[in-house]
Amino acid sequence: AQSVAQPEDQVNVAEGNPLTVKCTYSVSGNPYLFWYVQYPNRGLQFLLKYITGDNLVKGSYGFEAEFNKSQTSFHLKKPSALVSDSALYFCAVRDTFSGYALNFGKGTSLLVTP
Amino acid sequence: DARVTQTPRHKVTEMGQEVTMRCQPILGHNTVFWYRQTMMQGLELLAYFRNRAPLDDSGMPKDRFSAEMPDATLATLKIQPSEPRDSAVYFCASGSIAGGSGNTIYFGEGSWLTVV
Repeated sequence: AQSVAQPEDQVNVAEGNPLTVKCTYSVSGNPYLFWYVQYPNRGLQFLLKYITGDNLVKGSYGFEAEFNKSQTSFHLKKPSALVSDSALYFCAVRDTFSGYALNFGKGTSLLVTP
Repeated sequence: DARVTQTPRHKVTEMGQEVTMRCQPILGHNTVFWYRQTMMQGLELLAYFRNRAPLDDSGMPKDRFSAEMPDATLATLKIQPSEPRDSAVYFCASGSIAGGSGNTIYFGEGSWLTVV
């Protein structure tokens, strides 16, 4: 079985400060890991993914994520938060055995204050 | 700009009525997913199709929900009869997925359903 956990329901950060949104995963095979962002009343937008190779993955809007196999984590980071980054963030996993669908975490609400 | 298109965007209906949601996947994508989002349950996978064949509908209440893909450009999700507990956002997503691949899936804007 494959799953992800997002331990924080909400993350608050001041504009200009670095942000981290946490995600841990559990898979049978090797993981493919994804981050999506959802703005209010919108669909999910793809941010970045880890497939293989470099553990540090760079994505849209200045976001990056670090894959850590020993800690089974894939935390989302950004060096300097913007108020416009305030949204709901989802981590998702697909493993190399089970193929098709993505399993999503519960989501973490990010609030960036001016 | 290729995108997944869903209709209707918003629907308010009375309990007991039939609701049909439609999805046009991105051209060339072979796998289509239906997810449901609620505050309590988060994102749940309802069903998905690959090359128009249903692969998994284990997340879908079978007594009232049905999903079909009559052709490569249209997927439908039907609820009959609808109940207030079906109120949620229903997302369609598509991707060009091979088994165990890292390919991305792309979401539509959702159909926001309220059953009163």
